[in-house]
Amino acid sequence: ELKVEQNPLFLSMQEGKNYTIYCNYSTTSDRLYWYRQDPGKSLESLFVLLSNGAVKQEGRLMASLDTKARLSTLHITAAVHDLSATYFCAVGPGGSQGNLIFGKGTKLSVKP
Amino acid sequence: SAVISQKPSRDICQRGTSLTIQCQVDSQVTMMFWYRQQPGQSLTLIATANQGSEATYESGFVIDKFPISRPNLTFSTLTVSNMSPEDSSIYLCSVLGLGANVLTFGAGSRLTVL
Repeated sequence: ELKVEQNPLFLSMQEGKNYTIYCNYSTTSDRLYWYRQDPGKSLESLFVLLSNGAVKQEGRLMASLDTKARLSTLHITAAVHDLSATYFCAVGPGGSQGNLIFGKGTKLSVKP
Repeated sequence: SAVISQKPSRDICQRGTSLTIQCQVDSQVTMMFWYRQQPGQSLTLIATANQGSEATYESGFVIDKFPISRPNLTFSTLTVSNMSPEDSSIYLCSVLGLGANVLTFGAGSRLTVL
């Protein structure tokens, strides 16, 4: 059974600081997704990582994938309050693009 | 990316009743899915909605409890049957658009069962 573990589950940061969220998964997969969810809202796709060594960046967020270690990271640089949200990683087992297994999410709070 | 409209956006339901959630997409999509997000929890796939045939359910979910229809490429419904308080959740429709490599999610339907 594929399991996806995120840590930390809760993260309180000060503005301007850096931090990394980790996503470990238990079986082979070559597709990993990061989503953002604001309170009361749906999920917004942030990154799609499709190969070992993939690195993508958007603004203050950078995601990477190491398929050998079965690990993805979401790095936050110089956090700002607008980044406060819950971040989910999700893994697509096998060839399916729709059957995603989600981590429990990391609730990020950025304080001034 | 595809734009998804879900309704109702929220509802308060009585125990033992059933509610149907609708999902309409503004363009043809290859696949449609229904997920559940229980309060404060992550997302769990309920089923894949197959056009013109029975949905494919994940372990722990059955057709009698969560009947799903998908009469065409852009519309699907999920019914939550004989509801109990444990069914209080957000139910999300998601789609894989033509040529897309990432799921798009609807805004969700927040159900509260009393």
